[in-house]
Amino acid sequence: NAGVTQTPKFRVLKTGQSMTLLCAQDMNHEYMYWYRQDPGMGLRLIHYSVGEGTTAKGEVPDGYNVSRLKKQNFLLGLESAAPSQTSVYFCASSYVLETQYFGPGTRLLVL
Amino acid sequence: DAKTTQPNSMESNEEEPVHLPCNHSTISGTDYIHWYRQLPSQGPEYVIHGLTSNVNNRMASLAIAEDRKSSTLILHRATLRDAAVYYCILRDVLNYGQNFVFGPGTRLSVLP
Repeated sequence: NAGVTQTPKFRVLKTGQSMTLLCAQDMNHEYMYWYRQDPGMGLRLIHYSVGEGTTAKGEVPDGYNVSRLKKQNFLLGLESAAPSQTSVYFCASSYVLETQYFGPGTRLLVL
Repeated sequence: DAKTTQPNSMESNEEEPVHLPCNHSTISGTDYIHWYRQLPSQGPEYVIHGLTSNVNNRMASLAIAEDRKSSTLILHRATLRDAAVYYCILRDVLNYGQNFVFGPGTRLSVLP
């Protein structure tokens, strides 16, 4: 039982490049989330999903897209990376309104 | 949206109790009070949550004021491993997802 895993752990991008962050959970959770955390700040919700095939915007969705084609996976895409997207990205999952379980994070540096 | 206010930082000695306060004066009747903590270089982890009554689990206790405008997370015996940032979060069950807001939290230092 791995819980929530994130791929990759660390990535460096040049401005304008694209990439996809993968989140996987093996707890059969319905809800999944993507957050970003900037230095010295709390987490901010980017997008979330309440089930397979559904997604919704969070607090800071601009510049990101998401997809939930399979229940266990939640993908976060950056189509054209910008330096302002340099951050640590956390994925989380939960049953409907219960505890959120977080992954270890992906550190992204955009030059 | 209901917001929370926490001290930026606190210090405690090892093996002593720690009381982490949180103010949420605009809390609504459908807001649950959640506490998470984030150890260095890790994702946040759940600590405890409650609605109106005080709650206990193996990690901590949550004391909720009678008017629900404040709460206190209690670590009964701090260890070095409890050094982390502690987040007090309100979750409105009627507006799920968009209201799960992490503020800057309280950075707890535990001195040996």
